[in-house]
Amino acid sequence: QSALTQPPSVSGSPGESVTISCTGSSSDVGGYDRVSWYQQPPGTAPKLMIYDVSHRPSGVPHRFSGSKSGNTASLTISGLQTEDEADYYCSSYTSASTLLFGGGTKVTVL
Amino acid sequence: EVQLVESGGGLVQPGGSLRLSCTASGFSFGNYAMNWVRQAPGKGLQWVSALSGSGGNTYYADSVKGRFTISRDNSKNTLDLQMHSLRAEDTALYYCAKGSSGFDDIDFWGQGTLVAVSS
Repeated sequence: QSALTQPPSVSGSPGESVTISCTGSSSDVGGYDRVSWYQQPPGTAPKLMIYDVSHRPSGVPHRFSGSKSGNTASLTISGLQTEDEADYYCSSYTSASTLLFGGGTKVTVL
Repeated sequence: EVQLVESGGGLVQPGGSLRLSCTASGFSFGNYAMNWVRQAPGKGLQWVSALSGSGGNTYYADSVKGRFTISRDNSKNTLDLQMHSLRAEDTALYYCAKGSSGFDDIDFWGQGTLVAVSS
């Protein structure tokens, strides 16, 4: 099964907002509210930022938010900070009872 | 504090076998599904396999089905991945990852163990 589609990179200046898209199909993103987002700074393990499309775990800053429309989920970082520079991955449960990740998006803070 | 510590990685020849282990602490291990997720050097995340908390339900990616076997020992708080018929494309950092309400909503990751398949 092919990975969910994410843009390879996005960038923004401190204080700006950036949005990362994650496009799948009706068999995964569109069919279930089971989309998560992970942040992975270089050389570290991934960290959960958003689960079930739009829920934030405790400790994750409020500037991170998630949404979904049809087969596309999105992660928005509002008020970008230098420490937000990292790779971001989406994931979704699938109709085949598997877990599918996106290809990853590198967020650069200019 | 949740901790997941992977071990067992190393260099193995194509066609060989390797067994990875993950030791968990800081939570009620048997109540949660667990996963193995891998990341090839410089590449993205790829889900490999999952196992329900009781061990009764297993899930595999097509790329490893029939070659890898996931198992757990809830009395020892350990998760294993037995890998056979290894290929060069299995080379990756293998993460042990804890599910939350299901196997698919991973809420904590270990630091990973590196598997290199090469002659």
